[in-house]
Amino acid sequence: EVQLVESGGGLVQPGGSLRLSCAASGFTFTDHYMDWVRQAPGKGLEWVGRITNTPRRYTTNYAASVEGRFTISRDDPKNSLYLQMNSLKTEDTAVYYCARDSHTSLDVWGKGTTVTVSS
Amino acid sequence: QSALTQPPSASGSPGQSVTISCTGTSSDVGGYNYVSWYQQHPGKAPRLMIYEVTKRPSGVPDRFSGSKSGNTASLTVSGLQAEDEADYYCSSYAGRNNFVFGTGTEVTVL
Repeated sequence: EVQLVESGGGLVQPGGSLRLSCAASGFTFTDHYMDWVRQAPGKGLEWVGRITNTPRRYTTNYAASVEGRFTISRDDPKNSLYLQMNSLKTEDTAVYYCARDSHTSLDVWGKGTTVTVSS
Repeated sequence: QSALTQPPSASGSPGQSVTISCTGTSSDVGGYNYVSWYQQHPGKAPRLMIYEVTKRPSGVPDRFSGSKSGNTASLTVSGLQAEDEADYYCSSYAGRNNFVFGTGTEVTVL
């Protein structure tokens, strides 16, 4: 079964850091780009960023709202995707989803992990 | 990158059709045939329903169809069923390895 499972969410103070993980199974992880998408409480979906799948030449792209603060990385031998979030703001409070990227759409989604930024 | 514009809500009776619009610009919707649509039930993860404007992934009923004209894409759900009641989001490739989502439409089955 194709599956993505996020973890690492929690409560963090403004200005703090958090690292999310996404464990992939049931498909060849190295064949795919991977993305992060978030959804603030009661709001719509917001694309966060993506990472390509070319070994030794990974490319990352980010939404303007997180550029310079968030970093996406992957560990192919561990079939894992990561989102390092620094300088967190209250507006970063959201459910964070990882998703498999088919280059033109996001065809597999995890169930999400909740991040709350509050003092 | 601004969010694509969708109507906040749409509704129809069982068996009827409902069409949701998704308006962008020539830099996203109008510039690429990479529009996709996602269904999201409350408290659940999004599910891909349409990709590359008109294509349906395996397992998606053929009641769901997509189209595009200029800078506006549309999702039509024919033969509405109770389980179609959900939020729907469009998305488009926006160039330079960026994606943008729509504002979302809540579909109600009357």
